[in-house]
Amino acid sequence: DVVMTQSPLSLPVTLGQPASISCRSSQSLVHSDGNIYLDWFQQRPGQSPRRLIYEVSNRDSGVPDRFSGSGSGTDFTLKISRVEAEDVGVYYCMQGSHWPPWTFGQGTKVEIK
Amino acid sequence: QVQFVESGGGVVQPGRSLRLSCAASGFSLSAYNIHWVRQAPGKGLEWVALIYYDGNQKYHADSVKGRFTISRDNSQNSLYLHMDGVSAEDTAIYYCTTFSIWGQGTMVTFSS
Repeated sequence: DVVMTQSPLSLPVTLGQPASISCRSSQSLVHSDGNIYLDWFQQRPGQSPRRLIYEVSNRDSGVPDRFSGSGSGTDFTLKISRVEAEDVGVYYCMQGSHWPPWTFGQGTKVEIK
Repeated sequence: QVQFVESGGGVVQPGRSLRLSCAASGFSLSAYNIHWVRQAPGKGLEWVALIYYDGNQKYHADSVKGRFTISRDNSQNSLYLHMDGVSAEDTAIYYCTTFSIWGQGTMVTFSS
């Protein structure tokens, strides 16, 4: 199984400042079709997860453009350009390139300083 | 609003089975491959099972294989997870999802 490792696990940020979360996979996520199936999810307190980014860098509908995803191979990053209060929550990366199973990172808790 | 609505959760005692249901709201689920994902209290997300849009292919996580079974009835616009042999490690909120569409989840609690 592909192991997804996120860092940091806790990220205190100042409102209006940028934030960055790293996600590393135990093997390359390049699928046989040439695509990379790496998604990012946000889970606000008390809510269901919500997908923000699919296939490394594509924002889902309605996701603010302050969220961006990048990466290749085994190293991926979610960036928030300017953190807002509504961004508080836990962020997960997930790979869907080598399945089953689909595997998630441990989660990164974003909180306001 | 496009979303899933899960139901059927509750307290499960040793030796009892449980069937979770997932209804599609605002769309037809017949065209979608759909997953069950669970989240133990205070923990992260764990993939549980996938069923193809036509029901012809199913995959289950090793942690539930032989105990849980995913199924669907497109005529009822619904998805199911039949749970046998539930243990404390299965206590979690269970979500059905396409990964772009999620429900609010249904809580399953094992009680001895």
